[in-house]
Amino acid sequence: KNQVEQSPQSLIILEGKNCTLQCNYTVSPFSNLRWYKQDTGRGPVSLTIMTFSENTKSNGRYTATLDADTKQSSLHITASQLSDSASYICVVSDGGTAGNMLTFGGGTRLMVKP
Amino acid sequence: KAGVTQTPRYLIKTRGQQVTLSCSPISGHRSVSWYQQTPGQGLQFLFEYFSETQRNKGNFPGRFSGRQFSNSRSEMNVSTLELGDSALYLCASRGLSTNEKLFFGSGTQLSVL
Repeated sequence: KNQVEQSPQSLIILEGKNCTLQCNYTVSPFSNLRWYKQDTGRGPVSLTIMTFSENTKSNGRYTATLDADTKQSSLHITASQLSDSASYICVVSDGGTAGNMLTFGGGTRLMVKP
Repeated sequence: KAGVTQTPRYLIKTRGQQVTLSCSPISGHRSVSWYQQTPGQGLQFLFEYFSETQRNKGNFPGRFSGRQFSNSRSEMNVSTLELGDSALYLCASRGLSTNEKLFFGSGTQLSVL
């Protein structure tokens, strides 16, 4: 069964600090891994998409890494801001022939305090 | 370019009723997918439509159904509502490639009493 596990479940950091969120997956076959940011009451917004051949991708203060051998990904947030308070969801696509089957992680809830 | 639009934003229904939710994708996007999000289960894939055809279906009972129109707009229907159907229902659209990012709407918050 395809699974995506995220850790920690929740995290509190002070504004200006860095943090790293983890994602482990058992999805086969693998097509791509995505990180989304979801503000409370809103739909998720895409941060990064990485395919098998990519091991790092940045989007402003967000940097995602992918180790396809160990099936692990991380999302590093640099110099956190209050607006980074949100849930961060790791999503893996199995790239099946039928289309785009996505498996979602449970998310990490990040709170940035002043 | 307008984003993904979902209506209504909030909905309150009682057990046994049925509900229809609507989703208008980004102009030019032909793929629309639906998701259920609850605090306990997180985000779960319901189904995906492409050019009016259902391409994928998640593990949900037959009470959950959908369709897509020729203009790519999509509707999702839930019949015989149960308390456990209370959730945020999100739709997303994307371009042609399965590697393209999904653009989500703000969702419909459904409460079943």
